Amino acid sequence: AQKVTQAQTEISVVEKEDVTLDCVYETRDTTYYLFWYKQPPSGELVFLIRRNSFDEQNEISGRYSWNFQKSTSSFNFTITASQVVDSAVYFCALSEDDGDTGNQFYFGTGTSLTVIP
Amino acid sequence: EPEVTQTPSHQVTQMGQEVILRCVPISNHLYFYWYRQILGQKVEFLVSFYNNEISEKSEIFDDQFSVERPDGSNFTLKIRSTKLEDSAMYFCASSALQGALGERHGYTFGSGTRLTVV
Repeated sequence: AQKVTQAQTEISVVEKEDVTLDCVYETRDTTYYLFWYKQPPSGELVFLIRRNSFDEQNEISGRYSWNFQKSTSSFNFTITASQVVDSAVYFCALSEDDGDTGNQFYFGTGTSLTVIP
Repeated sequence: EPEVTQTPSHQVTQMGQEVILRCVPISNHLYFYWYRQILGQKVEFLVSFYNNEISEKSEIFDDQFSVERPDGSNFTLKIRSTKLEDSAMYFCASSALQGALGERHGYTFGSGTRLTVV
């Protein structure tokens, strides 16, 4: 079973529209971390946000906001007033607390966002 | 802002050749990782490394792969005999251990090495 599911493969929006990228995760751990990364065409992974499982407060950073809901195991990402520069592939990721053995990331399959001018 | 540095950014190699991908993790980090992303697909975990040994590896990390920390700063991924399907972006990452709960702070990815096997 997938630990991180991003059901939206591709999304296109017109500039200035709001867009929400969905992420559903699965874990049995009580301590875990959720992340969003942006991958522009150049290929690097750009860190956007990290959330631990004990902090369900929603967060806003400029045009970006994140809605973490443990009850539905979701960590959705909203871009308000989208811009062409937001066009990229966005990955949601989960990291579980494995004690001293190091913890791998489980990535979703990504959502490719295209913002049309 | 501390960075994880990967070299080279692009590498082209012939099938069957050995290739070494290099990474310089953040200096006070203790955990090191390699991930792979085949074009158009998700990022997949390969291996984690702690205290000079592999702590976890995925099914992808078979006998043709090896990792090494040859000195105090570099962390390398070696592919012994490259195949066409090894063509991918390879990401190195490092993280620090902090806090009583062992929270992994500062998990940082490098900008990747794009490997093309021809």
